[in-house]
Amino acid sequence: DTAVSQTPKYLVTQMGNDKSIKCEQNLGHDTMYWYKQDSKKFLKIMFSYNNKELIINETVPNRFSPKSPDKAHLNLHINSLELGDSAVYFCASSQASSTTKGQFFGPGTRLTVL
Amino acid sequence: GESVGLHLPTLSVQEGDNSIINCAYSNSASDYFIWYKQESGKGPQFIIDIRSNMDKRQGQRVTVLLNKTVKHLSLQIAATQPGDSAVYFCAENIKGWGAQKLVFGQGTRLTINP
Repeated sequence: DTAVSQTPKYLVTQMGNDKSIKCEQNLGHDTMYWYKQDSKKFLKIMFSYNNKELIINETVPNRFSPKSPDKAHLNLHINSLELGDSAVYFCASSQASSTTKGQFFGPGTRLTVL
Repeated sequence: GESVGLHLPTLSVQEGDNSIINCAYSNSASDYFIWYKQESGKGPQFIIDIRSNMDKRQGQRVTVLLNKTVKHLSLQIAATQPGDSAVYFCAENIKGWGAQKLVFGQGTRLTINP
């Protein structure tokens, strides 16, 4: 299936731990994104990579570090997890040269920090 | 019925009725707008989009209207079905980036009553 996939689907961890979320897209897109959705469903962009280059970096704590080994993958590493990091994290992808159809989203990773 | 977005309001309609979901966007320079549907436990899914040089676009059972004068976007869903129950988000594309930079509205929860 052509899609954006994320692992894990659920992640429960203790405060202070370091964790990673992985994202892969097989749509042939050149741009990938990470979003955070809070408990009120508000969806906000965190990062965007185009051809492995960081192009959007919103005001996100530097405990969050995205890594793009190739244009089909964008991983999110979070250091020293805090309670406020609990949220659903969505990966998305798009083709920069295409101005239609928006972004394709993955199924989300629900992160719970205890 | 209709609803104004930005604070996750809830809209309930009877199956078979038409629904209207409204959204106010923030940036008068935004050139592209998208409506997404998010079902429980899933990522946002593209429904319909519209460019800023248009004021109306129709899809299957859905119509998007754009009023640039008042920076207002609406999504009309005709003959609603139980599967239309979801949270609906509008998103505006902020110009000037190498790729899409989408700013999402707060969302509206649509419930279809049988």
